[in-house]
Amino acid sequence: EVQLVESGGGLVQPGGSLRLSCAASGFTFSSYWMSWVRQAPGKGLEWVANIKQDGSEKYYVDSVKGRFTISRDNAKNSLYLQMNSLRAEDTAVYYCASMAIDYWGQGTLVTVSS
Amino acid sequence: DIVMTQTPLSLSVTPGQPASISCKSSQSLLHSDGKTYLYWYLQKPGQPPQLLIYEVSNRFSGVPDRFSGSGSGTDFTLKISRVEAEDVGVYYCMQSIQLGGWTFGQGTKVEIK
Repeated sequence: EVQLVESGGGLVQPGGSLRLSCAASGFTFSSYWMSWVRQAPGKGLEWVANIKQDGSEKYYVDSVKGRFTISRDNAKNSLYLQMNSLRAEDTAVYYCASMAIDYWGQGTLVTVSS
Repeated sequence: DIVMTQTPLSLSVTPGQPASISCKSSQSLLHSDGKTYLYWYLQKPGQPPQLLIYEVSNRFSGVPDRFSGSGSGTDFTLKISRVEAEDVGVYYCMQSIQLGGWTFGQGTKVEIK
């Protein structure tokens, strides 16, 4: 059974940092691009970042460039999102996804508030 | 960035009746490789999105044939031939013509009358 399980969300103050993790199982994680997609409460979907199979290419939405870093560890079948200088507008459910094969996690909620 | 504009933003449909959602992109989604990188997703309440249609008109595995996609260039349409109760949720179009800069439409909420 394919599983993507996100963790690491929570409440953080503006300017703070969080590291999200996504544990993958049930498919060949190292063979696929991986993505983070977020959804603010009651709002639509927003693509956040992509990373190539070997981690050699990374892409980000403009609003997080310089603040967020996507990474992966294929030996651990894990995807990460390091989020620094967090803002209120980063509040959202963050989904880990392998969009090429339509595998998604259930999401982890990040709340940025004082 | 490419802007994706969906219409309508909400739709109330009688079961068994058809439904149609339009998606327009601010730039052509036709890549030099010949593919058009337009996708349709459905997000049911409390769930992550699920892929319905890829590259304009290809149904993803397990998607019922009442769902169909069409279009080219900058204008695309998702059609549901006969809406069922399980089709409620929010439908999103998405473009991925560039590796950086993927964008979704605003979403179309479909409910049953």
